[in-house]
Amino acid sequence: RKEVEQDPGPFNVPEGATVAFNCTYSNSASQSFFWYRQDCRKEPKLLMSVYSSGNEDGRFTAQLNRASQYISLLIRDSKLSDSATYLCVVNKAPNDMRFGAGTRLTVKP
Amino acid sequence: DTEVTQTPKHLVMGMTNKKSLKCEQHMGHRAMYWYKQKAKKPPELMFVYSYEKLSINESVPSRFSPECPNSSLLNLHLHALQPEDSALYLCASRQGLTNTEAFFGQGTRLTVV
Repeated sequence: RKEVEQDPGPFNVPEGATVAFNCTYSNSASQSFFWYRQDCRKEPKLLMSVYSSGNEDGRFTAQLNRASQYISLLIRDSKLSDSATYLCVVNKAPNDMRFGAGTRLTVKP
Repeated sequence: DTEVTQTPKHLVMGMTNKKSLKCEQHMGHRAMYWYKQKAKKPPELMFVYSYEKLSINESVPSRFSPECPNSSLLNLHLHALQPEDSALYLCASRQGLTNTEAFFGQGTRLTVV
């Protein structure tokens, strides 16, 4: 079983749609969790950290479910500029950061 | 300054060449990473340095040799690479605490011919 599992998509949605991504992790001792965004031929950039209580940043909501060992990202009111690959990152041990496969999102007019 | 600087941005090398990739950060971060990313794949962890000591080596072939000369610099020495080693090599740094974000450099796009 992979350490971090993520549905690679692709997700093709119209502008204004709500889209959700999930990511599961295998190590129950994992300590911190993040969502990164990667545009084509660019480096990954932090979108949001994921906290136990859930957190929101504008149109983006991240949640963590430790019991089921998954994290999620919800994007509301999708914009064309949201088109990118979204990568979940799990810290399975101190300084050991692992990426999920990445989910490719295309938002269409 | 939240920058991680990688040089060179592009590199073409022959299978018998020796080259080095460089990564620099001045954020006082104590953990530094090398990742390898192939097209349409996620970054794969190669090496982690924590407080200038190698803490993780993901069974990377010895033709890749990391070096951390000081807390701001990370090198990746390359020797006798294969064409399948062609990829984007990403450097990242973070404070060293588990709950902090990592910052990535723009990467070095390596082609082995």
